[in-house]
Amino acid sequence: DVKVTQSSRYLVKRTGEKVFLECVQDMDHENMFWYRQDPGLGLRLIYFSYDVKMKEKGDIPEGYSVSREKKERFSLILESASTNQTSMYLCASSLSLGRSNQPQHFGDGTRLSIL
Amino acid sequence: DQQVKQNSPSLSVQEGRISILNCDYTNSMFDYFLWYKKYPAEGPTFLISISSIKDKNEDGRFTVFLNKSAKHLSLHIVPSQPGDSAVYFCAPAHSDKLIFGTGTRLQVFP
Repeated sequence: DVKVTQSSRYLVKRTGEKVFLECVQDMDHENMFWYRQDPGLGLRLIYFSYDVKMKEKGDIPEGYSVSREKKERFSLILESASTNQTSMYLCASSLSLGRSNQPQHFGDGTRLSIL
Repeated sequence: DQQVKQNSPSLSVQEGRISILNCDYTNSMFDYFLWYKKYPAEGPTFLISISSIKDKNEDGRFTVFLNKSAKHLSLHIVPSQPGDSAVYFCAPAHSDKLIFGTGTRLQVFP
């Protein structure tokens, strides 16, 4: 079974702090994704990565950056946290590019509150 | 510019009856359509998918129907069970990217 592990279930940070959200997958998947989920808006893609050291912007990348130094790990960085980044953050992984029928597997999410 | 719409935010169904969840999309480039189920405090889990070249896919109690000309898909759950109570997201796919709808909260009552 695919396991996607997010380092924290709940996190509280202050405005202006630099925040790191970590995600690790154990199935050697090429693709990794970061989403945020907000009420009434569904899941929105922030960034994704098709390979180590590769990253692509999703639909809402502003205020975020990512790092993928190893295949199994994908980090989301809030450069200077703001209150509008309070949200549920979800990490996912899937098999390689071009196989759209391969489902993404999600972690349990990190509920981040910015005070 | 919302490419994927789930117009019913919530649905309440009696146990044993059919649940029908609907999804409309605008982009004709989608080549697969996935449904995910999400319980509170958990990540979404994959439920069922359908290729754009098919119009129906069935897996146990779950059936997904695709009407490409109408750009509409639906998920049927029959019979509905209390454990099906969750938020359901449709997620059309193209080039490994998913575009999620806003979700429908299904409640199955006894």
